[in-house]
Amino acid sequence: QVQLQETGPGLVKPSQTLSLICAVSGGPITSSGYYWTWIRQHPGKGLEWIGHIYHSGSTYYNPSLKSRVTISVDLSKSQFTLNLKSVTAADTALYYCARSFNNQFDPWGQGTLVTVSS
Amino acid sequence: DIQMTQSPSSLSASVGDRVTITCRASQNIGIYLNWFQQKSGNAPKLLIYGASSLQSGVPSRFSGSGSGTDFTLSITSLQPDDFASYYCQQTYNIPLTFGPGTKVDIK
Repeated sequence: QVQLQETGPGLVKPSQTLSLICAVSGGPITSSGYYWTWIRQHPGKGLEWIGHIYHSGSTYYNPSLKSRVTISVDLSKSQFTLNLKSVTAADTALYYCARSFNNQFDPWGQGTLVTVSS
Repeated sequence: DIQMTQSPSSLSASVGDRVTITCRASQNIGIYLNWFQQKSGNAPKLLIYGASSLQSGVPSRFSGSGSGTDFTLSITSLQPDDFASYYCQQTYNIPLTFGPGTKVDIK
């Protein structure tokens, strides 16, 4: 079955760009109807949808982050990427990637903790 | 943005109890409502989609109901594996938003 795995630096300095990769295995990233999603969870807090991308490259972002977020897809590597620029301590969170189909968010990656600190 | 609220924020229950969690949307979202379970250290797991459809592999003791602005997640006969946090999510429009969560712990 499809599995997702997030990778990236666990520590990012303030004002720099956070970059995470979600590798998709066990199924094609180009399947029709699937959206590839980033969600984050601040420590001990709730969940925040960041945005998602279709294999065509069309994207949808949370307006609260839109000015700083870019999600891209690399079909050849079967992965999609989150870039969040100009980070602050408020961006410290557990970042998840997930697949959605007909609004069903499943599966999820195991999550990766990113800390913003100098 | 559509605001999601949940009640209670936490509850204590015993194995075998029936548990009900409520989620309310700030506007009509039809049945565009998901429920997730999250255990400590794990990613959220989809339980219910479309307000009342049980995700494949999820035990039938979980059920969802509601439409419009008011929704309910019910767990009949709570099991030890069910002690976790539960979140609702609206998928009616962007940005997709989640409720603040309900933590279910052992009485």
